Amino acid sequence: DAKTTQPPSMDCAEGRAANLPCNHSTISGNEYVYWYRQIHSQGPQYIIHGLKNNETNEMASLIITEDRKSSTLILPHATLRDTAVYYCIVRDYYNQGGKLIFGQGTELSVKP
Amino acid sequence: NAGVTQTPKFQVLKTGQSMTLQCAQDMNHNSMYWYRQDPGMGLRLIYYSASEGTTDKGEVPNGYNVSRLNKREFSLRLESAAPSQTSVYFCASSEVGNPVGTDTQYFGPGTRLTVL
Repeated sequence: DAKTTQPPSMDCAEGRAANLPCNHSTISGNEYVYWYRQIHSQGPQYIIHGLKNNETNEMASLIITEDRKSSTLILPHATLRDTAVYYCIVRDYYNQGGKLIFGQGTELSVKP
Repeated sequence: NAGVTQTPKFQVLKTGQSMTLQCAQDMNHNSMYWYRQDPGMGLRLIYYSASEGTTDKGEVPNGYNVSRLNKREFSLRLESAAPSQTSVYFCASSEVGNPVGTDTQYFGPGTRLTVL
């Protein structure tokens, strides 16, 4: 299984962009990059996913490097409600089925 | 549309007792999952069911059994609870995405279990 490396914690000022990095240097061609977040005591929440192109939705943007060995999740205007643990997951559906393998994630603190 | 629901929300057991955690989804999803989360850790997959009538082991299946009762419901049973099973248990469901591999998992609110 491809593994991911994320910083354990980050701070961000409210209203500023939060840029969360993730390294996945052993990613293979059919593995997608997924981002989930978990607000304290709640179930994880899907944010975004991508294969090789940059992606954007109403929650965030996902920037994947050309070699696909790293990616960055961008929350364009962070709010206090974005304080959560953010998980970067690489997933091979064909070999792993639907399983998500969670690492330790990055604890993002958005401060006023 | 409640999404994924779990019962109970909290439970305290004594070592050796048994119990069943219930999970139901109303999104007509084929796949369902059980995860556990220990303090300060990410989620770990216990069992999953790719479709009604099938179940498979995940990373940490020992001490647990599951039943895919129908398309909506997926239960997790602890036959003889141990203190090491103290954890928060999350159920999730998903549908196969298009293209394959792009499904989104939706999680329930969790069951907080303490085994004394």
